[in-house]
Amino acid sequence: RKEVEQDPGPFNVPEGATVAFNCTYSNSASQSFFWYRQDCRKEPKLLMSVYSSGNEDGRFTAQLNRASQYISLLIRDSKLSDSATYLCVAYNTDKLIFGTGTRLQVFP
Amino acid sequence: SAVISQKPSRDICQRGTSLTIQCQVDSQVTMMFWYRQQPGQSLTLIATANQGSEATYESGFVIDKFPISRPNLTFSTLTVSNMSPEDSSIYLCSVELGRGLRDEQFFGPGTRLTVL
Repeated sequence: RKEVEQDPGPFNVPEGATVAFNCTYSNSASQSFFWYRQDCRKEPKLLMSVYSSGNEDGRFTAQLNRASQYISLLIRDSKLSDSATYLCVAYNTDKLIFGTGTRLQVFP
Repeated sequence: SAVISQKPSRDICQRGTSLTIQCQVDSQVTMMFWYRQQPGQSLTLIATANQGSEATYESGFVIDKFPISRPNLTFSTLTVSNMSPEDSSIYLCSVELGRGLRDEQFFGPGTRLTVL
């Protein structure tokens, strides 16, 4: 079983839609969690950290459920520019563990 | 965040040769990391490189194949030795900018390697 698991998608949604990505992690000792965004042929870029209380950054909301070992990312009012792969990441014993990513394609 | 550059951005190499990838950061950082991203896959950590000490390699990666240098707090190199087509991948360096407990990492633009 992979340490961080994500639905690979792709998720194909129209502009303006709300889309949610889920992620589970297996190591309960994981200390921090992040969502990264990776555009095609580009490096991953930090989108947001995930806090236990949940956090929001504009159209993006991230939530963490430690009891269920579950992380989510909600994107509201999707834009064409949101098309990318979204990587769920757990920080554990001084290193990042990446999920395989969920691909999002927003169409007009 | 940090500004991170890598050289070369891409290369095509012959089997059996070696390539050294450079990573330069615009600020002093303690921890630097080297990752590999094979086609269609997510990122896999190769090793952690801290200045003044030997690199720490992850399971499946060895120093003879991926020697790393970390001569100062702004620079590191990764060498891919005795290359085979299976080494074709994107190699990325990253740095950790600790902000209390958050320990966020930022990535260089990557080096796209093709081995023939």
